[in-house]
Amino acid sequence: SYELTQPPSVSVSPGQTARITCSGDALPKKFCYWYQQKSGQAPVLVIYEDNKRPSGIPERFSGSSSGTVATLTISGARMEDEGDYYCYSTDRSDNHRVFGGGTKVTVL
Amino acid sequence: RVTLRESGPALVKPTQTLTLTCTFSGFSLNTSGMCVSWIRQPPGKALEWLAHIDWVDDKYYSPSLKTRLIISKDTSKNQVVLTMTNMDPVDTATYYCARTVTTAVIRPFDYWGQGTLVTVSS
Repeated sequence: SYELTQPPSVSVSPGQTARITCSGDALPKKFCYWYQQKSGQAPVLVIYEDNKRPSGIPERFSGSSSGTVATLTISGARMEDEGDYYCYSTDRSDNHRVFGGGTKVTVL
Repeated sequence: RVTLRESGPALVKPTQTLTLTCTFSGFSLNTSGMCVSWIRQPPGKALEWLAHIDWVDDKYYSPSLKTRLIISKDTSKNQVVLTMTNMDPVDTATYYCARTVTTAVIRPFDYWGQGTLVTVSS
């Protein structure tokens, strides 16, 4: 089955830049999407189609993709950015739609 | 304004069948490009995509769970129903429904319900 691999955790100081990676064999051909989930809440879409930001998502959130790795970047991280972040994509056939294992972001 | 809300039993016994309903507003599953998915999250664990239904009634299932899942829609009621057979304690999770838009751009899960916790226990 298809898998997306994320680091379990990332720590960042307030005002600094956090980068979260997502690795998958099909990412050169398939878009990556990113979701933020705060404790006890439903996830929120923060990046779609690799690098597009939905309305209402702060500009400090950006996405990129190169080869088999997609990256979510939080520039100038704030305490309110703490939470779990999940990437999502599909395999080449679109038969496997998967989330990554999630990355816990700590701002301290 | 788009909203989704999950409903169903909070507790089911092992081997029973779970039926969950997603009731939504602010969009129609008769509209081209609209889809609804079910996603679950065991306590403290990652999200897992389960199933998807679209405006032309195409259905897609997680390969690892497809023998246990059925997704259907009732466009007159703005509802999507998920049934999962042969429930097991490992299926204990918060179950979410979420909208996907597949028009000029693809935005999976741009709106989510608040989730409903289902516990499987005898």
